[in-house]
Amino acid sequence: DGGITQSPKYLFRKEGQNVTLSCEQNLNHDAMYWYRQDPGQGLRLIYYSQIVNDFQKGDIAEGYSVSREKKESFPLTVTSAQKNPTAFYLCASSIVPQETNEKLFFGSGTQLSVL
Amino acid sequence: GDSVTQMEGPVTLSEEAFLTINCTYTATGYPSLFWYVQYPGEGLQLLLKATKADDKGSNKGFEATYRKETTSFHLEKGSVQVSDSAVYFCALRAAGTASKLTFGTGTRLQVTL
Repeated sequence: DGGITQSPKYLFRKEGQNVTLSCEQNLNHDAMYWYRQDPGQGLRLIYYSQIVNDFQKGDIAEGYSVSREKKESFPLTVTSAQKNPTAFYLCASSIVPQETNEKLFFGSGTQLSVL
Repeated sequence: GDSVTQMEGPVTLSEEAFLTINCTYTATGYPSLFWYVQYPGEGLQLLLKATKADDKGSNKGFEATYRKETTSFHLEKGSVQVSDSAVYFCALRAAGTASKLTFGTGTRLQVTL
């Protein structure tokens, strides 16, 4: 089955620690995205990538970093600079959107909590 | 900038009741509009979409009409089921911003027997 796989489902971070969230897709999509979901705030875009070896900051990139070395993988690192990392993180992908009506495919998310 | 405003939840309905979840937007030009649904513990799934004024998106008994004059895209269903319990997100993608989807805050729907 084609889809997006996020791991782990639950992750705990200690003070001052960097953690990396995994996102893998086998849909052959060019574009991948990371969103953060907080209660009552909807989804906010952290980073996105439209092609291998290229990515752009979203609305809330501070304290996060990404890489896109392979088409199917887009890992997100939450660094110690992110002071409020507790949230539900969603990865998504899409065919490179040539039209504005292109939809996103989402993974099942990773819940990150601070110890 | 672009924004989406949804009615606050939670919305609690009895099975077979009529559902309306309001959504209004602010954007330049003619955005594409979407409703996504998130079931407990899962990611989001596209429910329906509309790409131009007066278009009606529909899926699984849900409908929403793109109203340019009122900048709205309200979600409706004539008879909800317990299995419709989820969080519903209204979203837009403005013209010229093909990589960025702007989401509303989400509305939780709970349907009881």
